[in-house]
Amino acid sequence: EVQLVESGGGLGQPGGSLRLSCSASGFSFSNYWMHWVRQHPGKGLEWVSRINADGSHTDYADSVKGRFTIYRDNAKNTLYLQLNSLRAEDTALYYCARGDTSMIIQYWGQGTPVTVSS
Amino acid sequence: DIQMTQSPSSLSASVGDRVTITCQASQDIATYLSWYQQKPGKAPNLLIYDASFLETGVPSRFSGTGSGTYFTFTISSLQPEDIATYYCHQYETLHTFGQGTKLEIK
Repeated sequence: EVQLVESGGGLGQPGGSLRLSCSASGFSFSNYWMHWVRQHPGKGLEWVSRINADGSHTDYADSVKGRFTIYRDNAKNTLYLQLNSLRAEDTALYYCARGDTSMIIQYWGQGTPVTVSS
Repeated sequence: DIQMTQSPSSLSASVGDRVTITCQASQDIATYLSWYQQKPGKAPNLLIYDASFLETGVPSRFSGTGSGTYFTFTISSLQPEDIATYYCHQYETLHTFGQGTKLEIK
């Protein structure tokens, strides 16, 4: 069974940093693209970033480009999202999700909440 | 950037009704479109991929059609457990979600 468990969310200061983690199990992690998608409170879904299977290629939404970094450790079956220069508008529930070579986002974790406030 | 315009934003229907949601892309995305169901407090759940293919385990009352820029998602006979918010999602160029359709029982 595919399992994705996010952690690392919490309260961050404006201008500050947080690191989110996503622990994967139930599949061969190193074979899959991975994504972060966020959902602002009471709002819709916003794709944030993706990384290819070996970590050599990354893409970002314009809203986070230059501030967030996605990376992965295939030996630890873990995906990360480093959030820097936090803004109030980064407050959201952050989902880790598994993609495939066709870019279909198939499986989702339960999310970790991030609140940016002073 | 590809924009996805989903309508309606909310919909009220009766059990047994046929329900249709539409999604329009700002440019040709072929059939790189999926549909998700999200229930309150839960993660999204993939229902349809490549515009018309039903994900394994998804009831056959759910279906999708379309290609290019216009897509539809249909529930053939609404069930109480279908109450949720539905999102379209393009993956032709990066990723964009529609604004969502909140489905309620009348």
